[in-house]
Amino acid sequence: GENVEQHPSTLSVQEGDSAVIKCTYSDSASNYFPWYKQELGKGPQLIIDIRSNVGEKKDQRIAVTLNKTAKHFSLHITETQPEDSAVYFCAASIKAGGTSYGKLTFGQGTILTVHP
Amino acid sequence: NAGVMQNPRHLVRRRGQEARLRCSPMKGHSHVYWYRQLPEEGLKFMVYLQKENIIDESGMPKERFSAEFPKEGPSILRIQQVVRGDSAAYFCASSVGTRGSEQFFGPGTRLTVL
Repeated sequence: GENVEQHPSTLSVQEGDSAVIKCTYSDSASNYFPWYKQELGKGPQLIIDIRSNVGEKKDQRIAVTLNKTAKHFSLHITETQPEDSAVYFCAASIKAGGTSYGKLTFGQGTILTVHP
Repeated sequence: NAGVMQNPRHLVRRRGQEARLRCSPMKGHSHVYWYRQLPEEGLKFMVYLQKENIIDESGMPKERFSAEFPKEGPSILRIQQVVRGDSAAYFCASSVGTRGSEQFFGPGTRLTVL
């Protein structure tokens, strides 16, 4: 089955700096890659996603890149703010033909701390 | 509020009791996924359901755990004869299905087994 590895496990940055979180996946059939932000005591919140037919996607201060050949994808947060502090999870999923997307396989998570 | 709803938010059970966790998907969503998050760990897939059908239960323990998503009403994750190792946060997510890929998560049910 699919295996997703995420690094680093913790990341500490100063406000205004950039933060980068990297993930690798094992199953070349995976074609959907979402990123989730989880705050303490809450459910994961989808912040951005990318499909395998796209190499990069950007939404304001957040961007995701995908390298299908190397089977890795990354989350980039620019101009970080203290409210960006949370746990971030990458995930991978497969959509087969006309069926719906199946289960998400998650990375282990990255604890991001943004210091004021 | 059209988000995914889960109840109860917190559930305390003694060993050997049954736990029932409920999930109401977002309006218009017919696909439900259940995930478990152990302390300090990521989320692990358990089961994927559509109305009245189990699509993928590859992550569900073989014994004591069951899930359903009836034609009417919420999806239910049922854990029989709970043990301390079942203590975790259980999250439900929903999606529109074939027309979309995004899974939106509920706030979770935190189960504590004494």
